[in-house]
Amino acid sequence: QVQLVESGGGVVQPGGSLRLSCAASGFTFSHHGMHWVRQAPGKGLEWVAVISYDGGVQYYEDSLKGRFTIARDNSKNTVFLQMDSLRPDDTAIYYCARGQYVSSGYYLDFWGQGTLVTVSS
Amino acid sequence: SYDLTQPPSVSVSPGQTARITCSGNGLPRQYAYWYQQKPGQAPVLLIYKDTERPSEIPGRFSGSSSGTTATLTISGVRPEDEADYYCQSADNNVVGREVFGGGTKLTVL
Repeated sequence: QVQLVESGGGVVQPGGSLRLSCAASGFTFSHHGMHWVRQAPGKGLEWVAVISYDGGVQYYEDSLKGRFTIARDNSKNTVFLQMDSLRPDDTAIYYCARGQYVSSGYYLDFWGQGTLVTVSS
Repeated sequence: SYDLTQPPSVSVSPGQTARITCSGNGLPRQYAYWYQQKPGQAPVLLIYKDTERPSEIPGRFSGSSSGTTATLTISGVRPEDEADYYCQSADNNVVGREVFGGGTKLTVL
């Protein structure tokens, strides 16, 4: 069965960095684009970034460009999110999700349980 | 920026039909997708490509789309359907960007 397990969350000071990982199993990882989605406490879902099946293309939410970097290692079935210059409003649960590509976009058919990132001094 | 607009809340009694709308200028050209999220849990895909339902999703959940509005319909609502519901679509103006609606809290009275 499809499994996505996030790790790497924790408490970090403003201006700090954190690298999230998402280990995938139960499907052919290299066939799917992978996404990160976040949810601030008590708020809705916010799409963060996507990386194509082969890692060749990445897209980001505009407001996060330059601070967040998505990457993947298909040999390890893992997708990463490098987060730099973190701010208190980056505090959220970060989910990774498997993408299914349809015409000009994706839908997200499996989600991990999320990892909590808290940015606070 | 491109937005998807959902009502913040919808309330229905058990056994009734709930309809949750999602409005966006790009929806005539882009598919809508729907997710359910219960407290403390990750979202679950309910509907894809406007109307398709994953095999594990109960048949009381259905989707439709017309013009700039997509609709999630829950027929014969059950107490366990109380949750937050989100629509999602591709940004019609920015290549590669995905957008979520603000979410709708469904309350089963």
